[in-house]
Amino acid sequence: NAGVTQTPKFQVLKTGQSMTLQCAQDMNHNSMYWYRQDPGMGLRLIYYSASEGTTDKGEVPNGYNVSRLNKREFSLRLESAAPSQTSVYFCAASGYGTATDTQYFGPGTRLTVL
Amino acid sequence: RKEVEQDPGPFNVPEGATVAFNCTYSNSASQSFFWYRQDCRKEPKLLMSVYSSGNEDGRFTAQLNRASQYISLLIRDSKLSDSATYLCVVNRDSNYQLIWGAGTKLIIKP
Repeated sequence: NAGVTQTPKFQVLKTGQSMTLQCAQDMNHNSMYWYRQDPGMGLRLIYYSASEGTTDKGEVPNGYNVSRLNKREFSLRLESAAPSQTSVYFCAASGYGTATDTQYFGPGTRLTVL
Repeated sequence: RKEVEQDPGPFNVPEGATVAFNCTYSNSASQSFFWYRQDCRKEPKLLMSVYSSGNEDGRFTAQLNRASQYISLLIRDSKLSDSATYLCVVNRDSNYQLIWGAGTKLIIKP
């Protein structure tokens, strides 16, 4: 039982390149999230998916797109990477997306955009 | 003003001591409160939820003060393994989106 997995663990991009961050969970949770974490700041929600087939913008969605491929998988795409997107990206999953749910996180992807 | 504010620390504390830190939140409509723990270069993990009546889990005690809009975390008999960053998390309004504090770094010294 791996919980939440993310690939890749590290990535270096040049400005303007695109890439997709992959996330998968084996906990049968309905809700999934993408966050970014920057030094001195709290986690900020990029996009979330309350259930399979739905996605919604979070606090900082500009420059990103997501796909909820199925119940298990939720990917984050950077179409044209910018240095401001250098960050650590975490995917998370929770049972029902309610305010009291525990969120379970993947190990993170460390992205550097040059 | 940030929606959730924490003292970034670091708090340097000798092993065995008691340490406490607070987190203030700005939205009086918030209903759900949590402490997560994040080890260096790792993902956050839930430490404990914070209930209105306060709650305790072993050496950890969490309290909520709605009047002053803060939550607190008390760690007794601190261990070296308690060294981590502690993240305060609050829900936004009735929305289930969570607002994360930047964290308080705790260093336990032998």
